[in-house]
Amino acid sequence: QKEVEQNSGPLSVPEGAIASLNCTYSDRGSQSFFWYRQYSGKSPELIMSIYSNGDKEDGRFTAQLNKASQYVSLLIRDSQPSDSATYLCAVNSWFDYKLSFGAGTTVTVRA
Amino acid sequence: EPEVTQTPSHQVTQMGQEVILRCVPISNHLYFYWYRQILGQKVEFLVSFYNNEISEKSEIFDDQFSVERPDGSNFTLKIRSTKLEDSAMYFCASNLGQGPNEQFFGPGTRLTVL
Repeated sequence: QKEVEQNSGPLSVPEGAIASLNCTYSDRGSQSFFWYRQYSGKSPELIMSIYSNGDKEDGRFTAQLNKASQYVSLLIRDSQPSDSATYLCAVNSWFDYKLSFGAGTTVTVRA
Repeated sequence: EPEVTQTPSHQVTQMGQEVILRCVPISNHLYFYWYRQILGQKVEFLVSFYNNEISEKSEIFDDQFSVERPDGSNFTLKIRSTKLEDSAMYFCASNLGQGPNEQFFGPGTRLTVL
């Protein structure tokens, strides 16, 4: 059973600041790592995927992966009120179809 | 942009009744999934489906649950005899294949069992 742990928050940041989200996972066989954004009452929306150690940037989002430390993070730069949501970390392994999700970190961006 | 669709958006049923939740995965995707999320809890994997058979299922996916691809586009989840604890959001997802492929989620069906 893969365990995926996230700080539940809430994380409150002022508009324009950087929001930093953390995720740890228990299964060393995990190969693929995803960040989903979930607005209240809505479905998870994929915002980032990362498979190799290091950083991956996409617009205002940067994902960081450290497999040795079993740690993946998400940075949101220039946070906007529209970024207010719950961010879900999800992992799977190369031959494992299912995604294992963390409980999510709720982010509130203050205008 | 292609997307996963689900119907109905909200289903209310009486305990003990059968419900069928419907999904249309993205057309060129080969792997289909059902997840559920009880209010305030994690998204949980239920089942994955490939080549007209179940690839993997969780402990939640007991004999009360079944999945089917009745035609070339629909993917359904049936709950035979609903319980109060089946009340949740049910999400369908799909992707191209195994390995690192991203999964894309439908909007969900909110199931309320009374």
